[in-house]
Amino acid sequence: KAGVTQTPRYLIKTRGQQVTLSCSPISGHRSVSWYQQTPGQGLQFLFEYFSETQRNKGNFPGRFSGRQFSNSRSEMNVSTLELGDSALYLCASSLAGGTGTNEQFFGPGTRLTVL
Amino acid sequence: QKEVEQNSGPLSVPEGAIASLNCTYSDRGSQSFFWYRQYSGKSPELIMFIYSNGDKEDGRFTAQLNKASQYVSLLIRDSQPSDSATYLCAVTRGSARQLTFGSGTQLTVLP
Repeated sequence: KAGVTQTPRYLIKTRGQQVTLSCSPISGHRSVSWYQQTPGQGLQFLFEYFSETQRNKGNFPGRFSGRQFSNSRSEMNVSTLELGDSALYLCASSLAGGTGTNEQFFGPGTRLTVL
Repeated sequence: QKEVEQNSGPLSVPEGAIASLNCTYSDRGSQSFFWYRQYSGKSPELIMFIYSNGDKEDGRFTAQLNKASQYVSLLIRDSQPSDSATYLCAVTRGSARQLTFGSGTQLTVLP
């Protein structure tokens, strides 16, 4: 079974631009979560989507948004990029079908550099 | 106080020894506990999860959970140089799938 895929793997943008990252979960997984990883703050939760609905949101500004499609694929968007948005953005998928199905599996990540 | 705390390390053990990684959490509502391994430049890989008090063994890995003490640990037996990585402890609260991570412990297994 194929794992979580993320595109693109690397991205370079300049301040003020916007960016869209894509994530395809493991087949059959219905929940997609997004995380930001930086050397200073570590791994931080951005948001979770399940059945095309945002179920949880972390403590990030409104410039960070996302959505999920009917096939469970998800995108996240960051508008008006700032230098501090440079990070590894990770997508994780989960079955989310009940007890014992909450394990989350990460994709390879998208490395975003903001210049 | 951080929600999830880990010894930052680095932790060095000789090949073949037992590596012991520790994690404490502050939220008594935490219900699910995970250990991820992250190699430099790679994404986190799930290696163990535990939901109930006690021990859970999988190959060379044993996860231990003590909810009363708000403590979870990971033991790696017969450590190998390939186990050298950063180990991240993560917890979720209730039925939510929001993972809260510790800062990680860097483990080096010396040949």
